[in-house]
Amino acid sequence: EVQLVESGGGLVQPGRSLKLSCAASGFTFSNYYMAWVRQAPKKGLEWVATISTSGSRTYYPDSVKGRFTISRDNAKSSLYLQMNSLKSEDTATYYCASCGVWYYGLLPPFAYWGQGTLVTVSS
Amino acid sequence: DIVMTQTPSSQAVSAGEKVTMSCKSSQSLLYSGDQKNYLAWYQQKPGQSPKLLIYLASTRESGVPDRFIGSGSGTDFTLTISSVQAEDLADYYCQQHYSYPYTFGAGTKLELK
Repeated sequence: EVQLVESGGGLVQPGRSLKLSCAASGFTFSNYYMAWVRQAPKKGLEWVATISTSGSRTYYPDSVKGRFTISRDNAKSSLYLQMNSLKSEDTATYYCASCGVWYYGLLPPFAYWGQGTLVTVSS
Repeated sequence: DIVMTQTPSSQAVSAGEKVTMSCKSSQSLLYSGDQKNYLAWYQQKPGQSPKLLIYLASTRESGVPDRFIGSGSGTDFTLTISSVQAEDLADYYCQQHYSYPYTFGAGTKLELK
């Protein structure tokens, strides 16, 4: 059974940093692209970052580019999100997501999701 | 960026009803390389994380009941629930998985009538 367990969320002041972690199990972690998706309170979903299987390629939307860094440790089956220069608008539940098996030409959807970790940016 | 527009924002339904919800994209999600539409649907129940229901516009994820039907092509897509069950009350999001940045619609909330 695929399991994704996020940790590292909490209350942080604007301008500070926080690092999220995601422990994966139940599948061969190193074979799949991984991602972070966030959801502000009572709002919709926003993609935050994606990383390739080896970690050599990373992708971000403009809203976090230059502030957030996604990384992975395949030996530990773990995914990370380093968040710097945090803003109040970064307040959200952050979900770790796996892209699953994918044989098609373009991007895969997010097949598996963790339960999320809440990040609150406030003074 | 590809903008995803979902309608309606909420819908009140009774058990057993047929339900349809719409998702429109600001550009075509049909990839000429394989003639597939890169559109996914997710279900999010209260207090839970999202769950993938459908990808490539009409392919049901393993284990998803066949009352969930995805259709459409190009820029216009529909999620149909053929006979709504109580456990289907949730938020539904469409997402384009055609190009970066991934983008989601604002969601359709299914509520009890």
